[in-house]
Amino acid sequence: KQEVTQIPAALSVPEGENLVLNCSFTDSAIYNLQWFRQDPGKGLTSLLLIQSSQREQTSGRLNASLDKSSGRSTLYIAASQPGDSATYLCAVENSSASKIIFGSGTRLSIRP
Amino acid sequence: NAGVTQTPKFRVLKTGQSMTLLCAQDMNHEYMYWYRQDPGMGLRLIHYSVGEGTTAKGEVPDGYNVSRLKKQNFLLGLESAAPSQTSVYFCASSYEAGTYNEQFFGPGTRLTVL
Repeated sequence: KQEVTQIPAALSVPEGENLVLNCSFTDSAIYNLQWFRQDPGKGLTSLLLIQSSQREQTSGRLNASLDKSSGRSTLYIAASQPGDSATYLCAVENSSASKIIFGSGTRLSIRP
Repeated sequence: NAGVTQTPKFRVLKTGQSMTLLCAQDMNHEYMYWYRQDPGMGLRLIHYSVGEGTTAKGEVPDGYNVSRLKKQNFLLGLESAAPSQTSVYFCASSYEAGTYNEQFFGPGTRLTVL
C-alpha cells in the first residue's frame, strides 16, 4: 500500500532563506508526483507536477525534484518571502491503481 | 472560467440528516474526485469518476454516494450523516489520469455533524 510522508510537519524560517521541503513515498510505481500549496481555509493550488519520467520541474522560485528509485521528492523554495507561508502538500498517483495519495503536509511559516 | 466550484461553503447537520454537496467544473475535464481533509491526515479520496455516467470507490467510500449525470457536475451525498463525517470536503477535476494528471481543486465545503 502506498504511503506518503512529509517531514517535518511544521517549519519556520526567516525571510530570505532558501529552504527544502521533503516528501517520501513507499511504492515507486507512480505516474507522477504533484506539489500543492494550501492557504488557511482555502482549497489546494497546484504548484508543480513531475511526470514519472522526469527528474525535476521549475516554476519561478520553486524547483521540485523526483527520485523514484529512492522514493523521494524535494520542493526547493529560493529566497523565501512571508507570502510563501502556507501548508505544502505532495501527492503521488499510483500507476497500479490510478489513485492519488496525499501526504499530510508541511506547514511553512516565513518570519519577516 | 470559474474553474471548480463547490456549494455550499458551510453546512451544519444533525446526526441522521441527509444532504448533497455539488461540485461543478467548466474546464471540460473527464475526471472528477471527492476528497475529505481531516486534521493531521492529509486528503483522502472518497469517490471518483472517470467520465459522465461513471463512478468508482476511493479510499474511504463508506457512508457516501455519488453521481455524475452530467460531465460538468459531480454530486456527493450523505444519506444519514454521522459525527465522524465532520470534515472539510474538496472536489477536484483533471483532464486525464496517468502521467499528466494535474488536478484542480475547488474551495472546499466545511461540514459539521452534531
